[in-house]
Amino acid sequence: GAVVSQHPSWVICKSGTSVKIECRSLDFQATTMFWYRQFPKQSLMLMATSNEGSKATYEQGVEKDKFLINHASLTLSTLTVTSAHPEDSSFYICSARERETGNQPQHFGDGTRLSIL
Amino acid sequence: GQNIDQPTEMTATEGAIVQINCTYQTSGFNGLFWYQQHAGEAPTFLSYNVLDGLEEKGRFSSFLSRSKGYSYLLLKELQMKDSASYLCAPMDSNYQLIWGAGTKLIIKP
Repeated sequence: GAVVSQHPSWVICKSGTSVKIECRSLDFQATTMFWYRQFPKQSLMLMATSNEGSKATYEQGVEKDKFLINHASLTLSTLTVTSAHPEDSSFYICSARERETGNQPQHFGDGTRLSIL
Repeated sequence: GQNIDQPTEMTATEGAIVQINCTYQTSGFNGLFWYQQHAGEAPTFLSYNVLDGLEEKGRFSSFLSRSKGYSYLLLKELQMKDSASYLCAPMDSNYQLIWGAGTKLIIKP
């Protein structure tokens, strides 16, 4: 149980392109989803926390107009990297936490490796 | 502030036992998670401790001492596939996980 599907796995695109990443909880309802970014050999960096039906909460230093998050249902959240540039190249990972109590583990998608040329 | 301290890297031999220590400081505490992350992959959940003591799950066990702000992950009968980074992630009062850089575990034959 607790499977999170993230799509696509790899994206290679030109600078200036917008990229959309989907995160789905397949067998549970996720009130809260999280978006992380991870650079090589560094720790996970939380970008934003997404709650179904409300605006995402962004971490300090993360541009909300550049990283658009939509959590339209209890099983789907999307991250759109708008006008991506080479410095946005990274490993983006979503996670979802089952509803009910807050102290549930986060279950991660497989991640999306984004390369901007 | 919030802080996690784990060794950067450890090396162990196949078939042996290894203990990965973690000390933490958080604003409030709602338990501590251990995750495994293979290179180039997303983390996978290993264990959760909220009360003091040892939680055993197969070859992996996790221990917590809340008063000391200390946890460890114990891996027994090490296999080559256990080579990965191990992330200690305490949960603060806002139910946010605090992530460190993790411990890279190298298993040698």
